[in-house]
Amino acid sequence: SQQGEEDPQALSIQEGENATMNCSYKTSINNLQWYRQNSGRGLVHLILIRSNEREKHSGRLRVTLDTSKKSSSLLITASRAADTASYFCATDSMDSSYKLIFGSGTRLLVRP
Amino acid sequence: DAGVTQSPTHLIKTRGQQVTLRCSPKSGHDTVSWYQQALGQGPQFIFQYYEEEERQRGNFPDRFSGHQFPNYSSELNVNALLLGDSALYLCASSPGWIAGTDTQYFGPGTRLTVL
Repeated sequence: SQQGEEDPQALSIQEGENATMNCSYKTSINNLQWYRQNSGRGLVHLILIRSNEREKHSGRLRVTLDTSKKSSSLLITASRAADTASYFCATDSMDSSYKLIFGSGTRLLVRP
Repeated sequence: DAGVTQSPTHLIKTRGQQVTLRCSPKSGHDTVSWYQQALGQGPQFIFQYYEEEERQRGNFPDRFSGHQFPNYSSELNVNALLLGDSALYLCASSPGWIAGTDTQYFGPGTRLTVL
């Protein structure tokens, strides 16, 4: 079963706009990660945020984590056509620290 | 520095057959995890190997088995294939000294089609 649920399932924006994706999860976690996947290929790690962190930045990416609401958001600023991909959040869990539990993903389309 | 590699890239099998997928971890990594990703879904954890032992297993039947070799490469075997086993199979590696699920590096995947 999947822990996280991303929202929206699909997002279409114009190049240069910001894209925001949300993720909710069910159980307590040690960390939450975001991955990108292009056209059904392998996943690329974007950013990891730990349960004691509230916000993290990496280039054009900004991730927030609210453990009280069991939710996270990924913001991509000044989007580019190359950002077109599926984005997944993944968590571990307090009682199962070796596996990543993925959500169902957000499909982002950035129109040139 | 070579990343995670997987072979083959694509595979077509028929129901009831057996399949073996292979994975070589990123240099310096000794832990390998396998995930199944059905079309339109997120990856689901199958199992993880560390020091040639299965360290944790997800909710997959015994038809799914694995192996890790002394050079840390790994195989995923699926017996008695079902149509529902059609998916992208992803291998991920990480250094064993990192606790828990800190950043895992994924390979490009093997696309398995069962007819």
